[in-house]
Amino acid sequence: AQKVTQAQTEISVVEKEDVTLDCVYETRDTTYYLFWYKQPPSGELVFLIRRNSFDEQNEISGRYSWNFQKSTSSFNFTITASQVVDSAVYFCALPLSGGSEKLVFGKGTKLTVNP
Amino acid sequence: DAGVTQSPTHLIKTRGQQVTLRCSPKSGHDTVSWYQQALGQGPQFIFQYYEEEERQRGNFPDRFSGHQFPNYSSELNVNALLLGDSALYLCASSLARGPQKKNIQYFGAGTRLSVL
Repeated sequence: AQKVTQAQTEISVVEKEDVTLDCVYETRDTTYYLFWYKQPPSGELVFLIRRNSFDEQNEISGRYSWNFQKSTSSFNFTITASQVVDSAVYFCALPLSGGSEKLVFGKGTKLTVNP
Repeated sequence: DAGVTQSPTHLIKTRGQQVTLRCSPKSGHDTVSWYQQALGQGPQFIFQYYEEEERQRGNFPDRFSGHQFPNYSSELNVNALLLGDSALYLCASSLARGPQKKNIQYFGAGTRLSVL
């Protein structure tokens, strides 16, 4: 069965620190997508990244970077030089099946960046 | 480019009542999915609508029903409300066709439902 585990419930850092959010998944599919979403206090889930299981290259977007390791079924997310505006709940997700749009989410990691 | 919009933002109901939540998808999107997010949890998939039909459904009872209109907007109806239905209800839209956009769901800010 599809499962996403985000073991870190809450993380608190001071501004400008780097922080890594962990995501471990289980899937029966050989090809699949993985997603990260951000949920600020306003409630809206903001799409951050979609990664195809074929592509194991790390990806960097500004202060954000993602480390996908198929061998350990992990898709970790790092924020470099964190800012107060990064404070939010971050969710990792994968589809119920390869072609499905039904997303299975982890429980999320609440990140608090203090000034 | 308008994003996903949901109404109302907040709603208070009592047990046994019925509620209707509304969603307008992102411009150009044709598929709408609904999720329930309990406090401190990740969103749970309720169902998905495409071409005005329910295409997929999660583990939710028949008290939860929906509809999609020709303009792709959607409604979520919940009958016989229970205290446990209190949650944030999120609508997500996506595009069924086109390899660049398929499978990416864009979410609205949700409707906060409180059942007393």
